[in-house]
Amino acid sequence: DAKTTQPPSMDCAEGRAANLPCNHSTISGNEYVYWYRQIHSQGPQYIIHGLKNNETNEMASLIITEDRKSSTLILPHATLRDTAVYYCIVRPSGSARQLTFGSGTQLTVLP
Amino acid sequence: GAVVSQHPSRVICKSGTSVKIECRSLDFQATTMFWYRQFPKQSLMLMATSNEGSKATYEQGVEKDKFLINHASLTLSTLTVTSAHPEDSSFYICSAALTSGNHEQYFGPGTRLTVT
Repeated sequence: DAKTTQPPSMDCAEGRAANLPCNHSTISGNEYVYWYRQIHSQGPQYIIHGLKNNETNEMASLIITEDRKSSTLILPHATLRDTAVYYCIVRPSGSARQLTFGSGTQLTVLP
Repeated sequence: GAVVSQHPSRVICKSGTSVKIECRSLDFQATTMFWYRQFPKQSLMLMATSNEGSKATYEQGVEKDKFLINHASLTLSTLTVTSAHPEDSSFYICSAALTSGNHEQYFGPGTRLTVT
């Protein structure tokens, strides 16, 4: 699976948009970009995933660049409960393969 | 959404004893389940892949005789830490993959194991 690079930490003011970047320059054509988050002492939570089109759900938006070498997860109105480690993972869809977690980005939402 | 449970959520045991952790998919069937381990301030590391009705596949460096995995049904996988030692203290997390569609994975809440 392609390797991803994320900043180790970010801060965001409560109520503002949080934009979390991820580089995946070696992504293959059949690999999707997945985002999970892990709140302290809990299991990871699925957020969103996409292949090449931008995606939006009730939690977040995913913006993937045209060359698919990077993406940005957007939390439009961050709350204190969004403080967590956010993981960007790329892997092929359609197969029950493990997720390879990098070190992620610790997002701290400040009051 | 799909729900995965783990039991117990927290366990303290004495060195040398064995501990069993259960992972259940509550509202879907999972042919494949994964077991991860997470040490403090570190990321999740895959320990093994559990397939229903067959032997688990262990990652390099994970002792299969120490971490026994049983996946007897499409909704239950168990991890038994045998002869636990303090260095086995960790956060153990399972995930279950849907048997169809995009094979999305859903994670359990984790089990905190402390070996004294």
